[in-house]
Amino acid sequence: AQSVTQPDIHITVSEGASLELRCNYSYGATPYLFWYVQSPGQGLQLLLKYFSGDTLVQGIKGFEAEFKRSQSSFNLRKPSVHWSDAAEYFCAVGLVSGGSYIPTFGRGTSLIVHP
Amino acid sequence: DVKVTQSSRYLVKRTGEKVFLECVQDMDHENMFWYRQDPGLGLRLIYFSYDVKMKEKGDIPEGYSVSREKKERFSLILESASTNQTSMYLCASSQQGSRSYEQYFGPGTRLTVT
Repeated sequence: AQSVTQPDIHITVSEGASLELRCNYSYGATPYLFWYVQSPGQGLQLLLKYFSGDTLVQGIKGFEAEFKRSQSSFNLRKPSVHWSDAAEYFCAVGLVSGGSYIPTFGRGTSLIVHP
Repeated sequence: DVKVTQSSRYLVKRTGEKVFLECVQDMDHENMFWYRQDPGLGLRLIYFSYDVKMKEKGDIPEGYSVSREKKERFSLILESASTNQTSMYLCASSQQGSRSYEQYFGPGTRLTVT
């Protein structure tokens, strides 16, 4: 069965520290991969996406993610976390069918940033 | 600036009431989605629509129905609200065949059923 896993429910980091949020998937083919961020009280905003090509993708707000086919992973990274990065992060994975993309979302990782 | 709006940010209803959640997008997108978000469960797809009057069941359609009479508007209906439908509801839209596949989300409606 197709699935996406975010193993960490909560992650706590100090401001200025580096960050890595994990996302693993199980699909028959290479899916389309997204990371979204949800700030408190708001909807989801796209951080970055991977379809094909260069496996290291850059996104907004200084985030990047690396696609590793051998590990079925698409981990999100940031070299130096800011207090404003405290939010819920969702990995979304899916295939395109008939011109539409219906993703499956992970359960989310809540990022807590200590000053 | 693209925008998805939802009719209410907070809603309190009683058990057994019929509840309408409205979503409007101004981007002329073909696809629209309704998700339910619960702590620890992430986003779960209730229904989606790829055209006017067209709808497809998602992963958790039980207890819900939808209506799409106009391209820009997608409504979620709880025929008889129950306490286990207390949740955050998110609407999203995307453009068919754009090769972007990005979904644009509304701010959500937090529904409490008492």
